[in-house]
Amino acid sequence: AQKITQTQPGMFVQEKEAVTLDCTYDTSDQSYGLFWYKQPSSGEMIFLIYQGSYDEQNATEGRYSLNFQKARKSANLVISASQLGDSAMYFCAMRERNTNAGKSTFGDGTTLTVKP
Amino acid sequence: NAGVTQTPKFQVLKTGQSMTLQCAQDMNHNSMYWYRQDPGMGLRLIYYSASEGTTDKGEVPNGYNVSRLNKREFSLRLESAAPSQTSVYFCASSEGFLAGEVETQYFGPGTRLLVL
Repeated sequence: AQKITQTQPGMFVQEKEAVTLDCTYDTSDQSYGLFWYKQPSSGEMIFLIYQGSYDEQNATEGRYSLNFQKARKSANLVISASQLGDSAMYFCAMRERNTNAGKSTFGDGTTLTVKP
Repeated sequence: NAGVTQTPKFQVLKTGQSMTLQCAQDMNHNSMYWYRQDPGMGLRLIYYSASEGTTDKGEVPNGYNVSRLNKREFSLRLESAAPSQTSVYFCASSEGFLAGEVETQYFGPGTRLLVL
């Protein structure tokens, strides 16, 4: 069964600094994808970044990068040069390729607060 | 493109009442999903539809029914609402689970449901 663990309920970072949000996962499948979503206080879920299990390079999208360590089953999100608008809840999710519809499993989230 | 739209945005029900949450997507996606998000937690899958004409149970289907009306629309029905169903409900869609691929889910803005 899929499982996602986000061990940091809350994180603080100073504006313009980098921050790492932790995510570990558990799966018996060899083929899967890992996602990060941002949920601001307004409530919508915004897709940030995706990493495939067979991707050799870490994914990057602008200020977001994913530190993927397959052997340790971790997929940490790194946000560089934090901005006040980055304050939000962040969710890590996983989907296995072998399921019929690629059902996602979500972690419980990390609340990030960016301090001015 | 509106992406994924949901109606209503907010609803208050009394215990035992019924209602239908509507979801539509204009991205020509094959797969659609319904999730619930309880306070301080990640999303949990209620039902999904891998393609038009098919629906399957997710992690927490009890108390809900779904209808994939056509390729664009996927509705969630609560036949007899209970206070335990107070939650935020998200609809999502994705291109479709292709063999060997993991595709991104795109979310609607959510429906906040309060059952008294």
